[in-house]
Amino acid sequence: SAVISQKPSRDICQRGTSLTIQCQVDSQVTMMFWYRQQPGQSLTLIATANQGSEATYESGFVIDKFPISRPNLTFSTLTVSNMSPEDSSIYLCSVELAGGPYEQYFGPGTRLTVT
Amino acid sequence: ELKVEQNPLFLSMQEGKNYTIYCNYSTTSDRLYWYRQDPGKSLESLFVLLSNGAVKQEGRLMASLDTKARLSTLHITAAVHDLSATYFCAVDSSPSGTYKYIFGTGTRLKVLA
Repeated sequence: SAVISQKPSRDICQRGTSLTIQCQVDSQVTMMFWYRQQPGQSLTLIATANQGSEATYESGFVIDKFPISRPNLTFSTLTVSNMSPEDSSIYLCSVELAGGPYEQYFGPGTRLTVT
Repeated sequence: ELKVEQNPLFLSMQEGKNYTIYCNYSTTSDRLYWYRQDPGKSLESLFVLLSNGAVKQEGRLMASLDTKARLSTLHITAAVHDLSATYFCAVDSSPSGTYKYIFGTGTRLKVLA
């Protein structure tokens, strides 16, 4: 398994500002993922972040709004830019360990409220 | 586009009863995962099902996968209050080499004492 931490755990931000969320893993991983979970809803994949390459974004998510960095095998950041109240969600990072067992481990999440 | 549906969405059951949560998905996949989420918490991995006919059990929970029917079930035996949570299935929709999960709608389970 993997131990994943996220910072901040929660934040309240004003409309129009940006927030960068950090995800740190205790072991080197190839695949890192960012998800959004709106209140009472399921999880939606935002993007896949591989070290050394540009993030791959899912339909409905764009780099200008959600820029992602992946500088090494244990760390990634997701920025939520020019925030609006509709961005209020829980943002979770997850990792998949190289060599199996082919499951994703999730961080504790960042609860974002935009006012 | 892969779609993953769970039913029921909400389930209220008495302690000691049995029930099954269903997860249907729309395209071919042979990798399916079950997660548990407690209120305000992150996701906890429950089961990893990697082939047709896979069956796994942990305590009062048993998960199975039928890839031909594109169906997975999560069976609860003799429910207890501690099982109250939201349960998600997730299907790996990607070609080998990349792992892209599509999550189901979730089933919010409440076990009544």
